[in-house]
Amino acid sequence: ETGVTQSPTHLIKTRGQQVTLRCSSQSGHNTVSWYQQALGQGPQFIFQYYREEENGRGNFPPRFSGLQFPNYSSELNVNALELDDSALYLCASSLVPQETQYFGPGTRLLVL
Amino acid sequence: GENVEQHPSTLSVQEGDSAVIKCTYSDSASNYFPWYKQELGKGPQLIIDIRSNVGEKKDQRIAVTLNKTAKHFSLHITETQPEDSAVYFCAADTGTASKLTFGTGTRLQVTL
Repeated sequence: ETGVTQSPTHLIKTRGQQVTLRCSSQSGHNTVSWYQQALGQGPQFIFQYYREEENGRGNFPPRFSGLQFPNYSSELNVNALELDDSALYLCASSLVPQETQYFGPGTRLLVL
Repeated sequence: GENVEQHPSTLSVQEGDSAVIKCTYSDSASNYFPWYKQELGKGPQLIIDIRSNVGEKKDQRIAVTLNKTAKHFSLHITETQPEDSAVYFCAADTGTASKLTFGTGTRLQVTL
């Protein structure tokens, strides 16, 4: 059984640019959640996708957007990058929205 | 919204001793409480979870207790080993959109 995978592992962008992060969910899981983890902090919920629809959103501005594909993989897009967007971005998948979430290794984003 | 507080922020124990990490939550609707272990450069790994219809759950050296009346839950690790050294996060979820709210983390160091 393949776990949650994310790409890329590391990324460096400059302020104002746009970035796309990718996540492949664990086999059989139709729900993907995205979290932002700043250095020394706990992960913060960005949003969740269930069967290609957004199923809940945290306190993040609209420049954070997402997508889920028919194979349940997902993308996180961030527009107009700010310095404070530098963080580890984590993707978690679950069988259905209310079930246990399993995290991927994350993508570390640095905004200069 | 939900707020999760976690204590202590750092914990140092000798190998073989027990470690206890405590969390409190604010939303009485929360009914799912997972614990994650995060090693350096990796994503959070689920180590144990508990649902609100259960007061205690044990898995080998790890146990979690839940007091719904007091809105707090704790992680207990017995016979600690050096490989238990990591950052541990508690989280709470109301179960409606699987939006995990995380604590701020506890850095556990197990010394020889």
